[in-house]
Amino acid sequence: AQKITQTQPGMFVQEKEAVTLDCTYDTSDPSYGLFWYKQPSSGEMIFLIYQGSYDQQNATEGRYSLNFQKARKSANLVISASQLGDSAMYFCAMREGRGAQKLVFGQGTRLTINP
Amino acid sequence: NAGVTQTPKFQVLKTGQSMTLQCAQDMNHNSMYWYRQDPGMGLRLIYYSASEGTTDKGEVPNGYNVSRLNKREFSLRLESAAPSQTSVYFCASSEVLGRVTNEKLFFGSGTQLSVL
Repeated sequence: AQKITQTQPGMFVQEKEAVTLDCTYDTSDPSYGLFWYKQPSSGEMIFLIYQGSYDQQNATEGRYSLNFQKARKSANLVISASQLGDSAMYFCAMREGRGAQKLVFGQGTRLTINP
Repeated sequence: NAGVTQTPKFQVLKTGQSMTLQCAQDMNHNSMYWYRQDPGMGLRLIYYSASEGTTDKGEVPNGYNVSRLNKREFSLRLESAAPSQTSVYFCASSEVLGRVTNEKLFFGSGTQLSVL
């Protein structure tokens, strides 16, 4: 079974609009962490945001926020006021347990921001 | 600020050839990782090293070996390359301090490997 599922292969959004990228996860470990990474066309992996399973509040980092719904096992990324530079692949990833950060990645969502 | 440095950036091999991908980090991180990314897919963990002197298999270890040479360096070796190993390879590192669990991975820029 997929541990991380990203159901949106591609999304197209107008500049300055908000966008939500979906991510659902599957784990029986009570201790886990959820990450979002951005991969622009240049190929590097850029960390965006982290949510821990015990965190009481949704994580926020500038224009990025994570809509964490633990009971539904979802961790959607919200980008406010999208910019042309946000066009990229976005990956949701999960770490189970503690210790080394062995991340399991979803297949990604390709986000295109239209001017 | 070098961060995580991978070499080479591009490599073409013939089936059966061997090669080693090099990775070094200058952030004094304890843990290092090797991932592969196939077209249209997310990254999959090949091997990791939680700390200097230890290595463990990840999700897709077959056909690979690793060496944690010292705290800075973690190499990935393909002993007999196969076309199925055509992929982009990413090295990463992270700090793991006791109960701290939100340490992000820092990635290298990747190695594009083609096996003909």
